Amino acid sequence: KNQVEQSPQSLIILEGKNCTLQCNYTVSPFSNLRWYKQDTGRGPVSLTIMTFSENTKSNGRYTATLDADTKQSSLHITASQLSDSASYICVVSAGDSGYALNFGKGTSLLVTP
Amino acid sequence: GAVVSQHPSRVICKSGTSVKIECRSLDFQATTMFWYRQFPKKSLMLMATSNEGSKATYEQGVEKDKFLINHASLTLSTLTVTSAHPEDSSFYICSAPKPGASPYEQYFGPGTRLTVT
Repeated sequence: KNQVEQSPQSLIILEGKNCTLQCNYTVSPFSNLRWYKQDTGRGPVSLTIMTFSENTKSNGRYTATLDADTKQSSLHITASQLSDSASYICVVSAGDSGYALNFGKGTSLLVTP
Repeated sequence: GAVVSQHPSRVICKSGTSVKIECRSLDFQATTMFWYRQFPKKSLMLMATSNEGSKATYEQGVEKDKFLINHASLTLSTLTVTSAHPEDSSFYICSAPKPGASPYEQYFGPGTRLTVT
């Protein structure tokens, strides 16, 4: 069964600090892994997409890593801002089309002043 | 970038009535769109795949007669919740892959909050 597990479930950090979110998956056949940011009451917004051959990808203060051998990914947020408070969802696509999405439950991040 | 819109953003309806939610791709044509439901603090759950010009494909456990999907054009898919009940209250989100985008980028709508009283 395809599964995507995220940790921690929730996280509180001070503004300006860094943090790392984890994602472990058992999805086959692997197509790609995405990190999304979802603000409360809004749809998810894509941060990064990585295919099998990519180890790291950055988008501003967000850096995602992928270890396809251990089936782990991380999302590192640098110099956090209050606006980073959101749910961060790891999504792993399976199959040739990449359309079959497997969602993690998300990590709820709260950045405090 | 690609944009997917949804309308309405919030809707409150009485139990037993039907509600229609629209999903539009604003700057690209989408032959396929996806409908999700999300309960508080839970993952998005795929409900169905909407295919332009053909019947939608529903996930196991999703009642096709209750959640009617119509994908009548390349930029519009609608989800109608028929005879809504309080347990249908949820956050409904659509997504669409943009043709030619790499790799397999999907764009999500902003979501529709449905409350059934």
